[in-house]
This record gives sequence, structure tokens and C-alpha cells, in this order.
Amino acid sequence: DTGVSQDPRHKITKRGQNVTFRCDPISEHNRLYWYRQTLGQGPEFLTYFQNEAQLEKSRLLSDRFSAERPKGSFSTLEIQRTEQGDSAMYLCASSPPGLAEETQYFGPGTRLLVL
Amino acid sequence: GQQLNQSPQSMFIQEGEDVSMNCTSSSIFNTWLWYKQDPGEGPVLLIALYKAGELTSNGRLTAQFGITRKDSFLNISASIPSDVGIYFCAGPRIIQGAQKLVFGQGTRLTINP
Repeated sequence: DTGVSQDPRHKITKRGQNVTFRCDPISEHNRLYWYRQTLGQGPEFLTYFQNEAQLEKSRLLSDRFSAERPKGSFSTLEIQRTEQGDSAMYLCASSPPGLAEETQYFGPGTRLLVL
Repeated sequence: GQQLNQSPQSMFIQEGEDVSMNCTSSSIFNTWLWYKQDPGEGPVLLIALYKAGELTSNGRLTAQFGITRKDSFLNISASIPSDVGIYFCAGPRIIQGAQKLVFGQGTRLTINP
């Protein structure tokens, strides 16, 4: 039974460096979401893919952030020129097609610390 | 932005006690989801509610979708140490085809053995 997986689980980087995170959704799920969660808060939506198409981006996603899902399977989230304010947990979720499409299943997250 | 308000923000209970928490919104949701999050992990889906008035159980957990569609409740019976964590309610908002989940601030549950 494979759920949503994310890699790496933890990342420590220096300010100004670029980082890339990977998400592998549940295999039959065509919808993939990225969220960001800061300490003491619930997750906040960043972006959404249906298959390989990126259909929505939050205003939280500045120009330094880019996400891809090249073949409609795994996705990557890249942050360029990281800032200390980017420190957070980055969560990926996926959902199946059909009636339960709003039921999202989350991965374990990538915790980013920018020094 | 749109927010879900959860209460209480934190709970300190004895093992074996029952727990109740709720989630309210100023606007209607057509689905309510309850998640549990352990430290350093992603949220795990506990219960999904799809119909107003629906009452759904998952083991010792029971959740209800409020009739007004503006609230939901989660109850945990006979709490055990592994129930410790943060409980989030969430509801989907459709924005340009995206089912964006909006989350509450969470209820942190602490259990004294």
C-alpha cells in the first residue's frame, strides 16, 4: 500500500540557495496539490495540477517558486534564492478522479529550514 | 481569506475521557474533512463527510456534518495516548477547477496518562 511520498523529508539550506522537492502521488490519482504549513497554522494552498496541467497558483507562490508535473505523475516544487521566510513544511497531496475528488491524501511533508 | 474556526484551540484531558471539538465557517461547505497531524508528519485523513446531517464513524471517532452546512463536529470516545496530536478540519473551495482545501487553525489534544 503506497501512499503519497515526498523527498527529502528534511532540508537545511543557506539563504540564497535553490532547493527542489519531489512528490510522488498515489498512482491512480490524477490531481496533485502543494501546500505550505508554518508552525501553529493549518496548511495553506500553493498550487494544483490536474494531470500535467497546472491549473491554479496561489498568490502565496511568488516568482521564486515554480512547480512542474511533467508527465502527470510525480511533481517537483523548486524554490529559487531561498529566504528565511520560506522556512516551513511543504506538503503534497493527491486526490482521485470522480466523485471523491475533494478528498485529498497528504504525504509526510518536506520540512525546510533556511538559515 | 476564508477561514474555518476550530474550538477549542487546545485540550488537556485524562486518558479514557471523551473528547469533543468543532469547526465553524461563515460560509457553506459541501464537504467536511477531518485530519490528524502528528509532529513532523503530514495530515492523515480521519473522516470525510459529504452530506448535510451525515454522521460517520471510524472506530472511536465520530464526526457530523452540520445541517446548516456551516459547521462540523468531531468526537473521540475513550481517549488513548496515541490520540495525541493536532486535529484539523478542512473544506474544499472550488477555484478555477481546483479543489483548494481551506483548513482551520487546529485543535491540539494532550492526554495525561
